[in-house]
Amino acid sequence: DAKTTQPTSMDCAEGRAANLPCNHSTISGNEYVYWYRQIHSQGPQYIIHGLKNNETNEMASLIITEDRKSSTLILPHATLRDTAVYYCIAFRLDSGAGSYQLTFGKGTKLSVIP
Amino acid sequence: ETGVTQSPTHLIKTRGQQVTLRCSSQSGHNTVSWYQQALGQGPQFIFQYYREEENGRGNFPPRFSGLQFPNYSSELNVNALELDDSALYLCASSLYMGSTGELFFGEGSRLTVL
Repeated sequence: DAKTTQPTSMDCAEGRAANLPCNHSTISGNEYVYWYRQIHSQGPQYIIHGLKNNETNEMASLIITEDRKSSTLILPHATLRDTAVYYCIAFRLDSGAGSYQLTFGKGTKLSVIP
Repeated sequence: ETGVTQSPTHLIKTRGQQVTLRCSSQSGHNTVSWYQQALGQGPQFIFQYYREEENGRGNFPPRFSGLQFPNYSSELNVNALELDDSALYLCASSLYMGSTGELFFGEGSRLTVL
């Protein structure tokens, strides 16, 4: 799976949009971009994923550039409960084994400030 | 809450001992994977089980082993514990070849090796 690069940390004011960038310049055509987050002392939580189209769900929006070399996760109205480490992962399902081997980096620590 | 439960939540062992960690997957999920998360790092894939067989493994030595039972619950066993095995161990369940590739993580078992 392609390597991803994220900023170490970011701050966001409560109520504002949080935009978390991710670079994945070596991503291959069949690799999806997944986002997970991990609130302190909890297991990671799935947020959203996409291949090449922009995606939106009740938690967030995912914007993928046309060349697929980078993406941005958008939390439209950040709350204090969104303070967490956010992981961007490039993932290709191993069609032979069906192995969900996610490669987590260190992620971005987002701090939402009152 | 994901419906994935892990036990114990915390435990302390000494070097050379053996440990067994347990995981109950979310109802209807037939695949379980295990991750190790050292302090300040992202989770690292250990292995995955489907139909009671290991079908994917990360870069971990053979002293890390597992089991999956007919009810899809799972165990992670670690023999000859080393100090570096101190970490949060996360279990994640999913549907094999699920359409979203989404993993549902438990809260983890925190192992301290002295």
